[in-house]
Amino acid sequence: GAVVSQHPSRVICKSGTSVKIECRSLDFQATTMFWYRQFPKQSLMLMATSNEGSKATYEQGVEKDKFLINHASLTLSTLTVTSAHPEDSSFYICSAREGTSSTDTQYFGPGTRLTVL
Amino acid sequence: SQKIEQNSEALNIQEGKTATLTCNYTNYSPAYLQWYRQDPGRGPVFLLLIRENEKEKRKERLKVTFDTTLKQSLFHITASQPADSATYLCALSGGTSYGKLTFGQGTILTVHP
Repeated sequence: GAVVSQHPSRVICKSGTSVKIECRSLDFQATTMFWYRQFPKQSLMLMATSNEGSKATYEQGVEKDKFLINHASLTLSTLTVTSAHPEDSSFYICSAREGTSSTDTQYFGPGTRLTVL
Repeated sequence: SQKIEQNSEALNIQEGKTATLTCNYTNYSPAYLQWYRQDPGRGPVFLLLIRENEKEKRKERLKVTFDTTLKQSLFHITASQPADSATYLCALSGGTSYGKLTFGQGTILTVHP
């Protein structure tokens, strides 16, 4: 089956630093990748949608200058949390989809736990 | 505003019984509804997708119904097992070209031996 990996799985950083999270589709080419954030005991909240080779589309309320998304190839998307603060501590999850149809399954990565001290 | 509610935050049942989870939505006309399983500290895993013109979908011990009049989906796990214990999420998609998913808050299912 389709596998999506994320790296790192856990990261602890100091306030004010930047953190990069990678999302890779291992055995398929992902036309579209999505980035979500999940706070404890809450559901996944979509942050942005990225298509290979074009700018990401951010959801309302998500600062694009703070959460930089790059989707440079069909198998890799990166999320960079710039100038991280404690309130950015969360579980970040990516998903990847091979096609552009709404019925194409989104395959989720295992998530990255970010803790900002 | 659009709202998705999974009625129970937690559901506890005995092994062998059928677990029934509910997903209700308002101010939304989804084209597709999906159910995912999420284990602690992990990303969601896709289980089933049902389209707006489908009433019911089955996969092994899983069954999903979709009532667009009631704006409700029911997710059933028959002959439940302790290994079915997890958080189950429903997600709606409006059928746009990029198929963004909007998730409910999840129901934590615990199956007791």
